[in-house]
Amino acid sequence: NAGVTQTPKFRILKIGQSMTLQCTQDMNHNYMYWYRQDPGMGLKLIYYSVGAGITDKGEVPNGYNVSRSTTEDFPLRLELAAPSQTSVYFCASTPPELETRDTQYFGPGTRLTVL
Amino acid sequence: GIQVEQSPPDLILQEGANSTLRCNFSDSVNNLQWFHQNPWGQLINLFYIPSGTKQNGRLSATTVATERYSLLYISSSQTTDSGVYFCAVGNTGFQKLVFGTGTRLLVSP
Repeated sequence: NAGVTQTPKFRILKIGQSMTLQCTQDMNHNYMYWYRQDPGMGLKLIYYSVGAGITDKGEVPNGYNVSRSTTEDFPLRLELAAPSQTSVYFCASTPPELETRDTQYFGPGTRLTVL
Repeated sequence: GIQVEQSPPDLILQEGANSTLRCNFSDSVNNLQWFHQNPWGQLINLFYIPSGTKQNGRLSATTVATERYSLLYISSSQTTDSGVYFCAVGNTGFQKLVFGTGTRLLVSP
């Protein structure tokens, strides 16, 4: 298994541009998440999904959109990039089975700079 | 929402030393996880431990849910233990986690 993969690894955007951060997992996990990590800080939840076609807002959703058309993919869309969205973005997934009491598995991150 | 505080914020150790990292949280939780973020930014899960004690090699963790804290023990530290250790908790279902700001650990040879 490749686990959780994210593309691109790095990206520089100009203010007002848009882009999609890609996230794919091959572990057949139902639950997927997008976080952002600002310098020197912990992670904050942007959006999450409990299965294909179901998404919901996390702690900091403004300026972002998501979709979940398949179990494997959970792209994050930035429509009008702003300097405040400069951050490292992490995608994560986890199986929902309560019996496993499993942890979250993280992708390698996308470092985004908005100038 | 729930608040998570980690201490100390920074820790410098000599190789071979032991350390204890603390995580305090403001409300009851049904999910608590410890993560290590290595110097290249990769996040690795260490423990899922909403209560009780677990051990994995030189690492162990204890969560006292009734007193709202968790401890991560690192014994015989190695330079590869350097990085940031995050505690993350949840109490609202769907494994939604709230992260602390981390403890930055530097282990020198």
